[in-house]
Amino acid sequence: DAKTTQPNSMESNEEEPVHLPCNHSTISGTDYIHWYRQLPSQGPEYVIHGLTSNVNNRMASLAIAEDRKSSTLILHRATLRDAAVYYCILSDSQGGSEKLVFGKGTKLTVNP
Amino acid sequence: NAGVTQTPKFRILKIGQSMTLQCTQDMNHNYMYWYRQDPGMGLKLIYYSVGAGITDKGEVPNGYNVSRSTTEDFPLRLELAAPSQTSVYFCASSFRAGRSYEQYFGPGTRLTVT
Repeated sequence: DAKTTQPNSMESNEEEPVHLPCNHSTISGTDYIHWYRQLPSQGPEYVIHGLTSNVNNRMASLAIAEDRKSSTLILHRATLRDAAVYYCILSDSQGGSEKLVFGKGTKLTVNP
Repeated sequence: NAGVTQTPKFRILKIGQSMTLQCTQDMNHNYMYWYRQDPGMGLKLIYYSVGAGITDKGEVPNGYNVSRSTTEDFPLRLELAAPSQTSVYFCASSFRAGRSYEQYFGPGTRLTVT
């Protein structure tokens, strides 16, 4: 069901940038790209979303390819607290409900 | 704001028992959702609601029922619990703003059916 492809796992060192890739080759013209993350034993939390242009907020940056078939979540300086599973999700507005379809995500390990 | 709260945090049920998972949000959100997450997997949508009195099925609704009598509350009912319903259940809410909404999740209820 998930329309995105992400690596199962990635590793980073503390205080280094992290680039988490996501492929979504079947994205439609009006699909938003959302990123959520799930820390251990917690519910998912919103990270960022975008449509066409790159986006920045206090947590991360989202770089969207010009053809929108891929995107990259950028954590500028990873901390131990950023260790989580990161989900890349396309908004599904079929039926007007705008459901989120979660895949397995990328498990990010941050080494001290 | 407390955000999205869920009770209980943990529960063990015997096969065939019933229970209600409670979910409350204080953000005046229109949309509410119930997901389940099996070990090592992503979340799957069980039911959702677009407002008081309106609910609809998600991807995995069998064995569950919901109601939405108020904006704040969205309880999930399990009838005749089965081992396959052992999972972590998350409630979420959102205020729809076109297609660029954000879902807020509760801390989850860990349910074991034996």
